[in-house]
Amino acid sequence: DAGVIQSPRHEVTEMGQEVTLRCKPISGHDYLFWYRQTMMRGLELLIYFNNNVPIDDSGMPEDRFSAKMPNASFSTLKIQPSEPRDSAVYFCASSLAQRLAGGYEQFFGPGTRLTVL
Amino acid sequence: QQPVQSPQAVILREGEDAVINCSSSKALYSVHWYRQKHGEAPVFLMILLKGGEQKGHDKISASFNEKKQQSSLYLTASQLSYSGTYFCGTRGGSNYQLIWGAGTKLIIKP
Repeated sequence: DAGVIQSPRHEVTEMGQEVTLRCKPISGHDYLFWYRQTMMRGLELLIYFNNNVPIDDSGMPEDRFSAKMPNASFSTLKIQPSEPRDSAVYFCASSLAQRLAGGYEQFFGPGTRLTVL
Repeated sequence: QQPVQSPQAVILREGEDAVINCSSSKALYSVHWYRQKHGEAPVFLMILLKGGEQKGHDKISASFNEKKQQSSLYLTASQLSYSGTYFCGTRGGSNYQLIWGAGTKLIIKP
């Protein structure tokens, strides 16, 4: 079974341009998480969805960031306009909540390395 | 509140043991451990639920002290493949998001 798929793997853009990152979660998973990772700030949760519905977007840095999940197999994270400080690795992760067991494992995609010049 | 991991980094010789700690100022429901190798995504190691259980994964095990809100990851007879950054993620309640520690970088030398 394929894991979490992210595209593109690398993105280099100029300040002010729109950037769209894509994620395909593992089939059947009901949670999807978007993270940003930098050396300075570590791993930060941006937003997460449950059954395609955004649950918590308090980690989204500002209005320039938006995320959608139009169906169970696809999600996008958009930055418009992009700024150099947005340069980071963006990870998407998916999970199948196991309420009876009380725990769950997040499966991470390979990440998108974004560089904004 | 972000959990605090210690140490920030550790260098070992192959075959030596290591302990990585994760502590929180908040009551915890579960603690999750992940390992990330350079240039790769984090990979799940194990989950510990409140109740103080200890889990093992090959020569890597962990404990969770609910009262102290602490978890420790034990790496026994470390192998070169154990190198990477170890993150703990904590979950405090019914929501499913994890709060991540800053990570502990583990370097294993031959």
